[in-house]
Amino acid sequence: SQQGEEDPQALSIQEGENATMNCSYKTSINNLQWYRQNSGRGLVHLILIRSNEREKHSGRLRVTLDTSKKSSSLLITASRAADTASYFCATDERTSGSRLTFGEGTQLTVNP
Amino acid sequence: GAGVSQSPSNKVTEKGKDVELRCDPISGHTALYWYRQSLGQGLEFLIYFQGNSAPDKSGLPSDRFSAERTGGSVSTLTIQRTQQEDSAVYLCASSLNRIAGHLHFGNGTRLTVT
Repeated sequence: SQQGEEDPQALSIQEGENATMNCSYKTSINNLQWYRQNSGRGLVHLILIRSNEREKHSGRLRVTLDTSKKSSSLLITASRAADTASYFCATDERTSGSRLTFGEGTQLTVNP
Repeated sequence: GAGVSQSPSNKVTEKGKDVELRCDPISGHTALYWYRQSLGQGLEFLIYFQGNSAPDKSGLPSDRFSAERTGGSVSTLTIQRTQQEDSAVYLCASSLNRIAGHLHFGNGTRLTVT
């Protein structure tokens, strides 16, 4: 199974609400990243959090990392219809050498 | 500046034919990755190139898959004797180097094997 597993698989909210997505992983990591993918497009990097960091902010995004629980969350505040996309976490595992391992993603739909 | 460019954007081929997918990374990026994404799924790692080092081919699903990177820049992913299960979006990504962190993705090549 994938190293990173997102939860929930799908999330539907109204504009203005907050959206929270979670990611769990299995092994020790150097960093964890979140990406966004619009339909039919490549992935776009959102934010990177290192293993020695617990929280990071970027605009309306807030990411937390709990290495003891091997989990991360992505919070999007004051969501907009344009935030509708799939969101993926990716882990840079200490034992993997070169790869970033991606989860299955959360499909977020923000209704206007 | 220019991002990661992939061609073709769509490819339809008959089962048993060979296909070549091309990736032009961002200039100066030494690391290049290929991933595969099936419909509605996450990304499956295929292969990684870093500078002049031997590539990490550990994700290639079978010996029908191969990739090369010429001159540390353009990369080609070749699938021989395509099968229907090869149908997917093939994504290429590059990064400044292995340690720099995040990946810049192209828009992918959608491969359909009929």
